Amino acid sequence: SQQGEEDPQALSIQEGENATMNCSYKTSINNLQWYRQNSGRGLVHLILIRSNEREKHSGRLRVTLDTSKKSSSLLITASRAADTASYFCATGHNAGNNRKLIWGLGTSLAVNP
Amino acid sequence: SQTIHQWPATLVQPVGSPLSLECTVEGTSNPNLYWYRQAAGRGLQLLFYSVGIGQISSEVPQNLSASRPQDRQFILSSKKLLLSDSGFYLCAWSVIWGSGANVLTFGAGSRLTVL
Repeated sequence: SQQGEEDPQALSIQEGENATMNCSYKTSINNLQWYRQNSGRGLVHLILIRSNEREKHSGRLRVTLDTSKKSSSLLITASRAADTASYFCATGHNAGNNRKLIWGLGTSLAVNP
Repeated sequence: SQTIHQWPATLVQPVGSPLSLECTVEGTSNPNLYWYRQAAGRGLQLLFYSVGIGQISSEVPQNLSASRPQDRQFILSSKKLLLSDSGFYLCAWSVIWGSGANVLTFGAGSRLTVL
């Protein structure tokens, strides 16, 4: 079942601009992850933020988590054409089976050169 | 280093024909293994996951089945394909971190078209 909802569904920006994608979820989480998918390829894990963390950085990526609002954002700074891809959030949970992630529907990002 | 192989990459099959997609993982032991399906422009739907040899959990009732004959081998099958089985199938493996986080590594995917 889908829990995460990313917005916007699609985003088109110019190279060098920042891209912000948001993810909302419904139930309590252990962690939230962001993945990237190039067209026709498998997903690649980008970054994980735990429920007790508020912000995390990895290179040009910045992820924030607001558990009170049940939302997260992914910021890509100084975007490049190679950042063009779909970005998915996925939530991990403690209760019951923690082996299953719950996925959002993704944000399609186009970075125009 | 760990790698995951998934094949075939592309498959066109007639309705009613059988299906076999295979996935193997190298460089890790006793991984959790997953089969996902992704419809065009949509998110991921978990089909099956396995925590060990012969242990398969099904998430969605359907005409697909999965098997894990070896520790690092995961197979998705169907005896008779339906048009609705068309999609992009992704195999993945994971290990559970000490914190309880479950991070997935995906294969390159198999695009199935049922005609």
